[in-house]
Amino acid sequence: KNEVEQSPQNLTAQEGEFITINCSYSVGISALHWLQQHPGGGIVSLFMLSSGKKKHGRLIATINIQEKHSSLHITASHPRDSAVYICAVPHSGGGADGLTFGKGTHLIIQP
Amino acid sequence: NAGVTQTPKFRVLKTGQSMTLLCAQDMNHEYMYWYRQDPGMGLRLIHYSVGEGTTAKGEVPDGYNVSRLKKQNFLLGLESAAPSQTSVYFCASSPGGPWMGEQFFGPGTRLTVL
Repeated sequence: KNEVEQSPQNLTAQEGEFITINCSYSVGISALHWLQQHPGGGIVSLFMLSSGKKKHGRLIATINIQEKHSSLHITASHPRDSAVYICAVPHSGGGADGLTFGKGTHLIIQP
Repeated sequence: NAGVTQTPKFRVLKTGQSMTLLCAQDMNHEYMYWYRQDPGMGLRLIHYSVGEGTTAKGEVPDGYNVSRLKKQNFLLGLESAAPSQTSVYFCASSPGGPWMGEQFFGPGTRLTVL
């Protein structure tokens, strides 16, 4: 079973700061997911990536397969980015049986 | 296009009572999942389905049963609820396996077992 570790657990920053959230996993994978959980509880998928880098607006996700590590970056952070960010990987590396999730990083952006 | 919906949104049960949570998706996805989320822990997989008529156990299946009689619906049943099943339950669906694309989540069901 894959194990997922995220850091930091909590992060408070000022509006405009560059944010980095890290994710490490134990078993080689075919893809990694980044998700966002809003303060109201809803969960949305931000990225799925298997190599390199992906960018969507102010969000950038990178992955290093050899080092089993991924990072999520937020540029020019804004209070509306305040949420829990969750990293997830396939449960058993490459099987169909869902995702294993990190415990999440609780991000607060202050105006 | 409603995406993934869950019924009910909230429920309070007494120990020993039974209930069924309904998940419905209108995206024609093959894969569907039930997760639970507890404070201080990541989401954990309860059961999943890779197509109509199929189900399989996830990480924490004890005390739950599931059925996928129709492709668009995935039901999660608690036969005899226990306080340890107090949690927020999320359903998700995806067109393929977790290595193929993103998962779409329902809004969640908050269940309290007294």
